Amino acid sequence: DVKVTQSSRYLVKRTGEKVFLECVQDMDHENMFWYRQDPGLGLRLIYFSYDVKMKEKGDIPEGYSVSREKKERFSLILESASTNQTSMYLCATKGDLTNQPQHFGDGTRLSIL
Amino acid sequence: AQSVTQLGSHVSVSEGALVLLRCNYSSSVPPYLFWYVQYPNQGLQLLLKYTTGATLVKGINGFEAEFKKSETSFHLTKPSAHMSDAAEYFCAVTLFSNTGNQFYFGTGTSLTVIP
Repeated sequence: DVKVTQSSRYLVKRTGEKVFLECVQDMDHENMFWYRQDPGLGLRLIYFSYDVKMKEKGDIPEGYSVSREKKERFSLILESASTNQTSMYLCATKGDLTNQPQHFGDGTRLSIL
Repeated sequence: AQSVTQLGSHVSVSEGALVLLRCNYSSSVPPYLFWYVQYPNQGLQLLLKYTTGATLVKGINGFEAEFKKSETSFHLTKPSAHMSDAAEYFCAVTLFSNTGNQFYFGTGTSLTVIP
């Protein structure tokens, strides 16, 4: 089974802090994704990566950056956290074949005070 | 344009009743289709998927979905709802285009099961 591990289930930070969300997968998948999930808005793609050191902006990249130094790890960085970044953050991975599904971690519920 | 539409953001059924969650997609190429379930404060878990072959797909927890190309639909059903089915359900489609794989999620349907 694919295992996608997000470093924290719940996180509370203060406005202006630099926040790191970590995601690690054990399936050697090339593709990794960061989403945020808000009530009524579904899942919105922030960034994705299709290889080490490669990244692509998703639909809402503003205020975020990412890092993928190793294949198994994909980090989401909030450069200067703001209250409107309070949300549920989900990491996902996917193999290279089109017919493969995405596999999700348990999510990080982030609160910015 | 390629997208996924889930009709009904909230669905309520009685325990033991039929569950029907609707999903329509728009695509100019054959899609691969997925249903996911999300329990409170958890990530998304794959329920079932359609890639090729049989159009009626069975998944976990007694759910199934039928791919109907003529209707561009992939509705999720379960004959008899359990209390444990209360969750958020997401339909998703993945397509291969000249820019690579594109993955789209619907906005989700929240299922409530009434005792």
